[in-house]
Amino acid sequence: KAGVTQTPRYLIKTRGQQVTLSCSPISGHRSVSWYQQTPGQGLQFLFEYFSETQRNKGNFPGRFSGRQFSNSRSEMNVSTLELGDSALYLCASSPGLQETQYFGPGTRLLVL
Amino acid sequence: DAKTTQPPSMDCAEGRAANLPCNHSTISGNEYVYWYRQIHSQGPQYIIHGLKNNETNEMASLIITEDRKSSTLILPHATLRDTAVYYCIVRVLETSGTYKYIFGTGTRLKVLA
Repeated sequence: KAGVTQTPRYLIKTRGQQVTLSCSPISGHRSVSWYQQTPGQGLQFLFEYFSETQRNKGNFPGRFSGRQFSNSRSEMNVSTLELGDSALYLCASSPGLQETQYFGPGTRLLVL
Repeated sequence: DAKTTQPPSMDCAEGRAANLPCNHSTISGNEYVYWYRQIHSQGPQYIIHGLKNNETNEMASLIITEDRKSSTLILPHATLRDTAVYYCIVRVLETSGTYKYIFGTGTRLKVLA
C-alpha cells in the first residue's frame, strides 16, 4: 500500500501571501490530521478531519484552515503568511478517529 | 502541554539493546502510550503502542509499568539506521470526546559504531 503523500515537498513564499498544502492519505484511511513542526515549538497539532468534518482543533490562529474532500484527501491553507509560519507541515492519516496515525514526509515551507 | 518526559539524548553501541525511558505520570486509565521516531526531519515513523500490557512487534518492545506512570521502549539490537529522535506520546482524550496526540521534545538516540 502506498503511504501518505504530501505535495509540494518544498515551498518558498513571502510574507503576506497565502499557501495551500495537499495531503493524500493511505488508501482506505478516512481520518487526516495536520501538524506543524518547528525547532522552537516541536510538533504541534493543527487539526483533524474525518468524513469531511473537522473533529478536533489545536491552538492556532484562524489564518490556519483546512478541509477534507469526499475521497479523504485533505488540504490546509495558511493565509497572510508570517515569518514564524516557516516550518515542516506534516500530515498523518489513520483508518478511523481513534486509530494509529501514519505520517507523510511533510511539506517544508519557508516564508521570506 | 506534553504529558511525557524523556531524556534529551542517549547513546547506544551498535548491536546492543537501546532502552529509551519515558515518564507519563499523569496518564489516564484509557489513554494509550505511543512511540514514534523521526529520522532527519522526515515524517515521524510509527513504532509501537500499548495501554497497559507489554507489547512486542518486529521493530521493538514496549514495557509499561504496572502503575502505567512510565514505560520503556526497547530496540533489541540497535543499528546505525536507528539513529533518530524518539517520541513517547500519550494519546489524550479531550473533553469533546476526540483524541489528540501530544508530542513532547523526544530523545535523540545516537547509535555508535
